Amino acid sequence: DIQMTQSPSSLSASVGDRVTITCQASQDITNFLNWYQQKPGKVPKLLIYDASNLKTGVPSRFSGSGSGTNFTFTISSLQPEDIATYYCQQYDNLPRTFGPGTKVEIK
Amino acid sequence: EVQLVESGGGLVKPGGSLRLSCVASGFTFSSYSMDWVRQAPGKGLEWVSSIISSSSYIYYADSVRGRFTISRDNAKNVLYLQMDSLRAEDTAVYYCVVGATTGYWGQGTLVTVSS
Repeated sequence: DIQMTQSPSSLSASVGDRVTITCQASQDITNFLNWYQQKPGKVPKLLIYDASNLKTGVPSRFSGSGSGTNFTFTISSLQPEDIATYYCQQYDNLPRTFGPGTKVEIK
Repeated sequence: EVQLVESGGGLVKPGGSLRLSCVASGFTFSSYSMDWVRQAPGKGLEWVSSIISSSSYIYYADSVRGRFTISRDNAKNVLYLQMDSLRAEDTAVYYCVVGATTGYWGQGTLVTVSS
Protein backbone atom coordinates (compact mmCIF):
# COMPACT_ATOMS: atom_id res chain seq x y z
CA ASP A 1 0.00 0.00 0.00
CA ILE A 2 1.10 3.57 -0.67
CA GLN A 3 1.72 5.55 2.50
CA MET A 4 1.04 9.29 2.58
CA THR A 5 2.72 11.69 4.98
CA GLN A 6 1.91 15.35 5.54
CA SER A 7 3.73 18.16 7.24
CA PRO A 8 3.23 20.01 9.37
CA SER A 9 0.52 18.26 11.39
CA SER A 10 -0.75 21.67 12.45
CA LEU A 11 0.07 25.29 11.87
CA SER A 12 -1.00 28.68 13.09
CA ALA A 13 -0.82 31.67 10.77
CA SER A 14 -2.17 35.20 10.51
CA VAL A 15 -4.85 36.37 8.14
CA GLY A 16 -3.19 37.24 4.86
CA ASP A 17 -0.25 34.90 5.36
CA ARG A 18 0.91 32.43 2.76
CA VAL A 19 0.43 28.88 4.02
CA THR A 20 2.15 25.81 2.60
CA ILE A 21 1.49 22.15 3.37
CA THR A 22 3.55 19.31 1.97
CA CYS A 23 2.51 15.77 1.21
CA GLN A 24 4.82 12.90 0.39
CA ALA A 25 3.92 9.55 -1.11
CA SER A 26 5.90 6.39 -0.36
CA GLN A 27 6.15 5.66 -4.09
CA ASP A 28 5.62 7.44 -7.38
CA ILE A 29 1.95 8.37 -7.84
CA THR A 30 2.52 10.54 -10.93
CA ASN A 31 0.01 13.34 -10.35
CA PHE A 32 -2.87 11.28 -8.96
CA LEU A 33 -3.34 13.38 -5.86
CA ASN A 34 -6.31 15.15 -4.29
CA TRP A 35 -6.39 17.87 -1.66
CA TYR A 36 -9.45 18.04 0.62
CA GLN A 37 -10.59 20.66 3.08
CA GLN A 38 -12.66 19.58 6.08
CA LYS A 39 -14.21 22.05 8.45
CA PRO A 40 -15.35 20.83 11.90
CA GLY A 41 -18.53 18.79 11.69
CA LYS A 42 -18.65 19.05 7.89
CA VAL A 43 -18.17 16.74 4.96
CA PRO A 44 -14.74 16.89 3.28
CA LYS A 45 -14.65 19.18 0.26
CA LEU A 46 -12.45 18.44 -2.73
CA LEU A 47 -10.35 21.49 -3.58
CA ILE A 48 -7.70 20.17 -5.96
CA TYR A 49 -7.42 17.04 -8.08
CA ASP A 50 -4.65 15.73 -10.33
CA ALA A 51 -2.24 17.53 -7.98
CA SER A 52 -2.81 20.97 -9.43
CA ASN A 53 -6.30 21.28 -10.92
CA LEU A 54 -8.69 23.50 -9.01
CA LYS A 55 -12.24 22.21 -8.69
CA THR A 56 -14.84 24.53 -10.14
CA GLY A 57 -15.90 27.19 -7.67
CA VAL A 58 -12.85 26.88 -5.42
CA PRO A 59 -11.17 30.23 -4.73
CA SER A 60 -7.98 30.87 -6.65
CA ARG A 61 -6.01 31.49 -3.46
CA PHE A 62 -5.80 27.70 -3.20
CA SER A 63 -3.25 25.93 -5.39
CA GLY A 64 -1.38 22.67 -5.65
CA SER A 65 1.79 21.49 -7.29
CA GLY A 66 4.12 18.55 -7.52
CA SER A 67 4.45 15.15 -9.13
CA GLY A 68 5.98 11.80 -8.41
CA THR A 69 6.30 11.60 -4.64
CA ASN A 70 6.40 15.21 -3.46
CA PHE A 71 3.46 17.59 -3.47
CA THR A 72 2.65 21.03 -2.12
CA PHE A 73 -0.63 22.72 -1.24
CA THR A 74 -0.66 26.49 -0.86
CA ILE A 75 -3.09 29.08 0.40
CA SER A 76 -1.73 32.33 -0.98
CA SER A 77 -3.50 34.60 1.48
CA LEU A 78 -5.07 32.89 4.49
CA GLN A 79 -8.66 33.89 5.22
CA PRO A 80 -10.66 33.27 8.42
CA GLU A 81 -12.95 30.87 6.55
CA ASP A 82 -9.96 28.68 5.64
CA ILE A 83 -9.73 27.34 9.20
CA ALA A 84 -9.97 23.60 8.64
CA THR A 85 -8.04 20.38 8.40
CA TYR A 86 -6.52 19.63 5.01
CA TYR A 87 -5.90 16.13 3.72
CA CYS A 88 -4.02 14.82 0.72
CA GLN A 89 -5.19 11.58 -0.90
CA GLN A 90 -3.53 9.48 -3.58
CA TYR A 91 -5.62 7.65 -6.15
CA ASP A 92 -2.90 6.11 -8.26
CA ASN A 93 -3.50 2.75 -6.59
CA LEU A 94 -6.02 1.11 -4.34
CA PRO A 95 -6.28 1.58 -1.40
CA ARG A 96 -6.81 5.28 -2.01
CA THR A 97 -4.87 6.34 1.04
CA PHE A 98 -5.19 9.67 2.82
CA GLY A 99 -2.53 11.65 4.57
CA PRO A 100 -2.97 12.21 8.34
CA GLY A 101 -4.13 15.78 7.87
CA THR A 102 -2.88 19.28 8.63
CA LYS A 103 -4.90 21.45 10.98
CA VAL A 104 -4.77 25.13 10.04
CA GLU A 105 -5.58 27.73 12.68
CA ILE A 106 -5.54 31.52 12.84
CA LYS A 107 -2.87 33.11 15.00
CA GLU B 1 -28.02 17.94 -8.61
CA VAL B 2 -25.99 15.05 -7.25
CA GLN B 3 -27.37 13.55 -4.06
CA LEU B 4 -25.94 10.75 -1.96
CA VAL B 5 -28.01 9.71 1.02
CA GLU B 6 -26.52 7.21 3.44
CA SER B 7 -28.56 5.27 5.95
CA GLY B 8 -28.32 2.22 8.17
CA GLY B 9 -25.98 3.50 10.85
CA GLY B 10 -26.69 3.18 14.54
CA LEU B 11 -25.59 1.61 17.79
CA VAL B 12 -24.53 -2.03 17.67
CA LYS B 13 -22.77 -4.32 20.12
CA PRO B 14 -19.31 -5.72 19.39
CA GLY B 15 -19.61 -8.73 17.14
CA GLY B 16 -22.84 -7.44 15.64
CA SER B 17 -23.74 -6.50 12.09
CA LEU B 18 -25.06 -3.52 10.21
CA ARG B 19 -25.85 -2.83 6.58
CA LEU B 20 -25.24 0.65 5.26
CA SER B 21 -26.96 1.95 2.15
CA CYS B 22 -26.19 4.93 -0.05
CA VAL B 23 -28.90 6.01 -2.46
CA ALA B 24 -27.51 8.00 -5.36
CA SER B 25 -29.22 10.41 -7.75
CA GLY B 26 -28.36 13.19 -10.15
CA PHE B 27 -25.67 11.31 -12.09
CA THR B 28 -25.22 8.09 -14.02
CA PHE B 29 -24.52 5.82 -11.05
CA SER B 30 -23.67 2.81 -13.20
CA SER B 31 -20.77 4.68 -14.83
CA TYR B 32 -18.78 5.39 -11.69
CA SER B 33 -16.71 3.49 -9.19
CA MET B 34 -17.88 4.07 -5.63
CA ASP B 35 -16.01 4.18 -2.35
CA TRP B 36 -16.76 3.99 1.34
CA VAL B 37 -14.61 6.26 3.51
CA ARG B 38 -14.87 6.51 7.28
CA GLN B 39 -13.81 8.90 9.98
CA ALA B 40 -13.54 7.88 13.61
CA PRO B 41 -14.42 10.57 16.17
CA GLY B 42 -11.67 13.17 16.25
CA LYS B 43 -9.56 11.24 13.76
CA GLY B 44 -8.57 11.50 10.12
CA LEU B 45 -10.11 10.07 6.99
CA GLU B 46 -9.73 6.36 6.27
CA TRP B 47 -10.57 4.79 2.93
CA VAL B 48 -12.53 1.55 3.54
CA SER B 49 -13.53 -0.04 0.24
CA SER B 50 -14.02 0.52 -3.47
CA ILE B 51 -16.21 -1.12 -6.10
CA ILE B 52 -15.92 -0.39 -9.79
CA SER B 53 -18.93 0.33 -11.96
CA SER B 54 -19.55 -3.26 -13.05
CA SER B 55 -18.83 -4.74 -9.60
CA SER B 56 -16.13 -6.89 -11.19
CA TYR B 57 -13.38 -5.38 -9.10
CA ILE B 58 -13.64 -4.83 -5.36
CA TYR B 59 -10.98 -3.81 -2.88
CA TYR B 60 -10.90 -3.51 0.89
CA ALA B 61 -8.69 -1.91 3.48
CA ASP B 62 -6.76 -4.47 5.52
CA SER B 63 -8.61 -3.31 8.62
CA VAL B 64 -11.98 -4.51 7.29
CA ARG B 65 -11.14 -7.26 4.80
CA GLY B 66 -13.02 -10.45 5.63
CA ARG B 67 -15.58 -8.61 7.78
CA PHE B 68 -17.07 -6.00 5.42
CA THR B 69 -18.67 -6.58 2.02
CA ILE B 70 -19.26 -3.83 -0.52
CA SER B 71 -21.86 -4.23 -3.23
CA ARG B 72 -24.01 -2.16 -5.53
CA ASP B 73 -27.31 -2.34 -7.39
CA ASN B 74 -26.97 -0.30 -10.57
CA ALA B 75 -30.66 -0.77 -11.37
CA LYS B 76 -31.65 0.87 -8.09
CA ASN B 77 -28.71 3.31 -7.86
CA VAL B 78 -27.73 2.03 -4.44
CA LEU B 79 -24.37 1.27 -2.86
CA TYR B 80 -24.17 -1.05 0.15
CA LEU B 81 -21.71 -1.90 2.87
CA GLN B 82 -22.44 -5.03 4.86
CA MET B 83 -20.49 -4.84 8.09
CA ASP B 84 -20.12 -8.01 10.17
CA SER B 85 -18.09 -8.88 13.27
CA LEU B 86 -18.04 -5.23 14.22
CA ARG B 87 -15.42 -3.95 16.62
CA ALA B 88 -15.17 -0.85 18.78
CA GLU B 89 -12.56 0.51 16.38
CA ASP B 90 -15.12 0.48 13.57
CA THR B 91 -16.95 3.32 15.32
CA ALA B 92 -16.98 6.16 12.79
CA VAL B 93 -18.98 8.25 10.40
CA TYR B 94 -19.20 6.35 7.14
CA TYR B 95 -19.35 8.28 3.88
CA CYS B 96 -20.10 7.09 0.38
CA VAL B 97 -17.99 8.80 -2.28
CA VAL B 98 -18.34 8.89 -6.06
CA GLY B 99 -15.15 7.91 -7.85
CA ALA B 100 -11.74 9.38 -7.12
CA THR B 101 -12.04 12.97 -8.30
CA THR B 102 -15.70 13.98 -8.51
CA GLY B 103 -15.77 15.46 -5.05
CA TYR B 104 -19.24 14.05 -4.43
CA TRP B 105 -19.64 12.78 -0.85
CA GLY B 106 -22.71 11.86 1.11
CA GLN B 107 -23.49 13.45 4.45
CA GLY B 108 -22.37 10.34 6.30
CA THR B 109 -23.99 7.91 8.69
CA LEU B 110 -22.69 7.28 12.20
CA VAL B 111 -21.87 3.76 13.29
CA THR B 112 -21.23 3.25 16.99
CA VAL B 113 -19.96 -0.11 18.20
CA SER B 114 -20.28 -0.35 21.95
CA SER B 115 -21.59 -2.70 24.61
